[in-house]
Amino acid sequence: AQSVTQLDSHVSVSEGTPVLLRCNYSSSYSPSLFWYVQHPNKGLQLLLKYTSAATLVKGINGFEAEFKKSETSFHLTKPSAHMSDAAEYFCVVSVTAGGTSYGKLTFGQGTILTVHP
Amino acid sequence: KAGVTQTPRYLIKTRGQQVTLSCSPISGHRSVSWYQQTPGQGLQFLFEYFSETQRNKGNFPGRFSGRQFSNSRSEMNVSTLELGDSALYLCASSVARGSGANVLTFGAGSRLTVL
Repeated sequence: AQSVTQLDSHVSVSEGTPVLLRCNYSSSYSPSLFWYVQHPNKGLQLLLKYTSAATLVKGINGFEAEFKKSETSFHLTKPSAHMSDAAEYFCVVSVTAGGTSYGKLTFGQGTILTVHP
Repeated sequence: KAGVTQTPRYLIKTRGQQVTLSCSPISGHRSVSWYQQTPGQGLQFLFEYFSETQRNKGNFPGRFSGRQFSNSRSEMNVSTLELGDSALYLCASSVARGSGANVLTFGAGSRLTVL
């Protein structure tokens, strides 16, 4: 079984300052990890994915995340926040080892990011 | 390339009624998954279909069902609606094999309100 814990339900930053959204995961197998973003009244958009290649993953819109197996973490960062980054962010784990779980994602509870001018 | 299309986008039903939601995946994507999103429970996996067969199922009652057609389009049905079924229902598609198998592309969702 796998699970995801997003450590902050709300994060507030000023425009131009760094963003850190924290995520810890638990998985019995080698996981695939993702960050998705959801803007109000919209569907989910993939920001980035980790699938056992490089541990530092770069995504869209300047976001990146680092996979740390020893800490079971996959934190999302961005050097400088923009007003358009305000949205809800979901850390997601998927397990594909030994079966056909391709479509079954386990979502964290989400972190709402607020960006102040 | 067109994205994942869900219809209808918004609908209102009353308790006891049933509802059918439709999802057209990205062309070439053979796997379709459904998720329910509510403020209290977050995003929860409903089921996944591949080649017209249900491949995975989440922990939802039998009132929730789905199917997939030969063109990969999918529908989900909720019978005997309850107030707690009010939610955003999201459909996602993927290529279902290879390195991109578990990368899901989501539609905008169907927002169901049960009165």
